[in-house]
Amino acid sequence: GDSVTQMEGPVTLSEEAFLTINCTYTATGYPSLFWYVQYPGEGLQLLLKATKADDKGSNKGFEATYRKETTSFHLEKGSVQVSDSAVYFCALRGTGGFKTIFGAGTRLFVKA
Amino acid sequence: DVKVTQSSRYLVKRTGEKVFLECVQDMDHENMFWYRQDPGLGLRLIYFSYDVKMKEKGDIPEGYSVSREKKERFSLILESASTNQTSMYLCASRKQGGMNTGELFFGEGSRLTVL
Repeated sequence: GDSVTQMEGPVTLSEEAFLTINCTYTATGYPSLFWYVQYPGEGLQLLLKATKADDKGSNKGFEATYRKETTSFHLEKGSVQVSDSAVYFCALRGTGGFKTIFGAGTRLFVKA
Repeated sequence: DVKVTQSSRYLVKRTGEKVFLECVQDMDHENMFWYRQDPGLGLRLIYFSYDVKMKEKGDIPEGYSVSREKKERFSLILESASTNQTSMYLCASRKQGGMNTGELFFGEGSRLTVL
């Protein structure tokens, strides 16, 4: 079945550092890919998405590119802020599928 | 502002008690979902509903049931709570079909502790 694997955390960075959170997936066809973010004490909210190969999703300085050849959707940000401290979830929705499958989540701590 | 509202942020129950978790959305979404979130396991789907009065088992339905009598409301029921159901429960909704992106809208979560 479909699955998502993302790097284990926690990830601890200093402010203004470069962030990469790796995400790879297993799915048939052409799934839609998502990154969700969960700030402390809140539910998840969509950060960005991509629906076809080579699409780049972007929002709030974060980017991720849908790479079909490597089945990856890595999250990047050039300069993190303390306010980016949160848990980040990679997710996919398979072609014609109903369910959204989530990775285990990666907790990010950003130090001032 | 669109909203998914979960009735209780924090609950403490005893083993064997019946527990109701309620979720209401104001976006006229057809699809609704209940997930549980546990450290290291991410989100696991318990039940979902395509539309009013429709329900389907997710990946971990054992020990749970659901009710969807109205479009805006989706309830999760633990008939006899057990300690291994201590978790964070997240409700989500989604617009079905058309040009929608498949984005899920989440509530803030209900943290349940079973003693």
